[in-house]
Amino acid sequence: SAVISQKPSRDICQRGTSLTIQCQVDSQVTMMFWYRQQPGQSLTLIATANQGSEATYESGFVIDKFPISRPNLTFSTLTVSNMSPEDSSIYLCSVVPWGLAGRKQYFGPGTRLTVT
Amino acid sequence: GENVEQHPSTLSVQEGDSAVIKCTYSDSASNYFPWYKQELGKGPQLIIDIRSNVGEKKDQRIAVTLNKTAKHFSLHITETQPEDSAVYFCAAIPLVGSSNTGKLIFGQGTTLQVKP
Repeated sequence: SAVISQKPSRDICQRGTSLTIQCQVDSQVTMMFWYRQQPGQSLTLIATANQGSEATYESGFVIDKFPISRPNLTFSTLTVSNMSPEDSSIYLCSVVPWGLAGRKQYFGPGTRLTVT
Repeated sequence: GENVEQHPSTLSVQEGDSAVIKCTYSDSASNYFPWYKQELGKGPQLIIDIRSNVGEKKDQRIAVTLNKTAKHFSLHITETQPEDSAVYFCAAIPLVGSSNTGKLIFGQGTTLQVKP
């Protein structure tokens, strides 16, 4: 598996502001993803973070609201823009290590975001 | 697209008893089915997975079974312990054409409580 860290681990933000979440992996990975977990709910895929190119977003998520970067094989950022209380969630990055062909996927500890 | 249904939503067992969580999926092209355990305040942890060419897989007290014809798979935990208490998620990864997207589609989650 891979060791995944996320920063910040939690934050409380004012509505209308933006927060950038970092995901760092201790080894190179093929795929990186960002998920959202609303309070008491399951996980929903936001987007696939593509190295060196624009992320691929799932239905219901747009780049203007959730811009994503992935400059290399071990790091990605997710920005939650122009936040509202509805954005209060846990944001999780996940990775697929090399050689696992899109299967075994490991999650970071999550960033717990509260928007007031 | 793929849809994953998970039951039950909550499960309470006595320590030492067995626990079974069931999931059904809709896309017959899905070929990989992981299970995750999420403890309070943590990211999901991959505990076991199964590929579509396998009917059953065991890892100590945990087993997963897959019925491709019926499109359902189950998690079995034997000799449950209080530390097994957590939220468990099933997931599926659908194929797009012949490509594994790595995109996890999650069930709704099961809160397992093991009473000492």
